Amino acid sequence: DIQMTQSPSSLSASIGDRVTITCRASQYISNSLNWYQQKSGKAPNLLIYGTTSLETGVPSRFSGSGSGTDFTLTISSLQPEDFATYYCQQSYSTPPTFGQGTRLEIK
Amino acid sequence: QVQLLQSGAEVKKPGASVKVSCKASGYTILNYGISWVRQAPGQGLEWLGWISVSNGHTNYAQKFQGRVTMTTDTSTTTVYMEVRDLRSDDTAIYYCARRVIGYNTEHFDNWGQGTLVTVSS
Repeated sequence: DIQMTQSPSSLSASIGDRVTITCRASQYISNSLNWYQQKSGKAPNLLIYGTTSLETGVPSRFSGSGSGTDFTLTISSLQPEDFATYYCQQSYSTPPTFGQGTRLEIK
Repeated sequence: QVQLLQSGAEVKKPGASVKVSCKASGYTILNYGISWVRQAPGQGLEWLGWISVSNGHTNYAQKFQGRVTMTTDTSTTTVYMEVRDLRSDDTAIYYCARRVIGYNTEHFDNWGQGTLVTVSS
């Protein structure tokens, strides 16, 4: 199975900050990388698929980049509703696997 | 709008089985597969497998082969997942999610609300 490693595991930031979360795959996954946001007690919510495609309804302050094994999720200006846990997921090979999550907290 | 409505919380003893349902609405169910993902308390996300609603084809994670069965009832637009021989480490929230396939991508664009399965003696 492909292992996905996110960094950092947790992050404190302030409203208006620019934040970057990194996801690294244990092997080549082309651009088959998705990002989800999960708020406490809720199901995950798709943010970005195929590395860069923004899911319908997701604010444009979210963006994704990368290819091969290294990927990033960027939030350009943090809003109060963005404090949550973020997961990357590879879809290059079965089984799809997730990173361990990055918890984004208010500073 | 797309909605996946799951059955309620379950408490089971070790060795028992549980069957969780996921009722889909708001879209043509035959056009999408349904995946199942679980999340143990305070932990990350783990994929269990998926089912094609149109033809019943399944693909299970190797870890769950022989212990998990996914089925569909298209007449009620409901997908089911059964887990047998439950262990304490199966305690988790189980989610169904709509599976979307595109060029170079497989992602989960709509999720059920989750079903908490607790395994305890």
